Amino acid sequence: LAKTTQPISMDSYEGQEVNITCSHNNIATNDYITWYQQFPSQGPRFIIQGYKTKVTNEVASLFIPADRKSSTLSLPRVSLSDTAVYYCLVGDGAAGNKLTFGGGTRVLVKP
Amino acid sequence: DAGVTQSPTHLIKTRGQQVTLRCSPKSGHDTVSWYQQALGQGPQFIFQYYEEEERQRGNFPDRFSGHQFPNYSSELNVNALLLGDSALYLCASSLVSARGEQYFGPGTRLTVT
Repeated sequence: LAKTTQPISMDSYEGQEVNITCSHNNIATNDYITWYQQFPSQGPRFIIQGYKTKVTNEVASLFIPADRKSSTLSLPRVSLSDTAVYYCLVGDGAAGNKLTFGGGTRVLVKP
Repeated sequence: DAGVTQSPTHLIKTRGQQVTLRCSPKSGHDTVSWYQQALGQGPQFIFQYYEEEERQRGNFPDRFSGHQFPNYSSELNVNALLLGDSALYLCASSLVSARGEQYFGPGTRLTVT
């Protein structure tokens, strides 16, 4: 499984755009990139998934360069309720959907 | 449509005891995975059940066992509890065909004293 590296923490302010970059230098051809969000004392919540280029949904955008060795989760116009830990995961999902979480990025949104 | 539910919410056990945690998957899902999350860390995969069989297992000792029932619900059993087993235990459900998207329950907070 490809290892991921992401910043431990990030601070932002309400209304700003937050970009979290994740490095996955040894990503395999069949691997997808998936991001989860977790609030304290809750289970993680699926945010977005992509393979290449750009993916956008109602919550976030995911940018993946051509070499796929990194990816950036973009949260537009964050609010206080976006304060959470964000996890970047890489895997092909073929091996039974086992998810391998790293340490995540703790995002603090300030008023 | 109910999401993933887990019981109990909190549990306090003594070292050496045994515990059983329960999970009901999201409607329509056929696969259940269990994760252990220690304070300040990311969830760690314990095992996954599909068609009532353990499909994959993480790096956890045999003290951790599980079961999946015909209605897809699942149990996690931990024997001979250690202080280090104190954690948030998360259940996640998915379709076996899904790629990386799992729905997590709120978890069971287990404290071993």
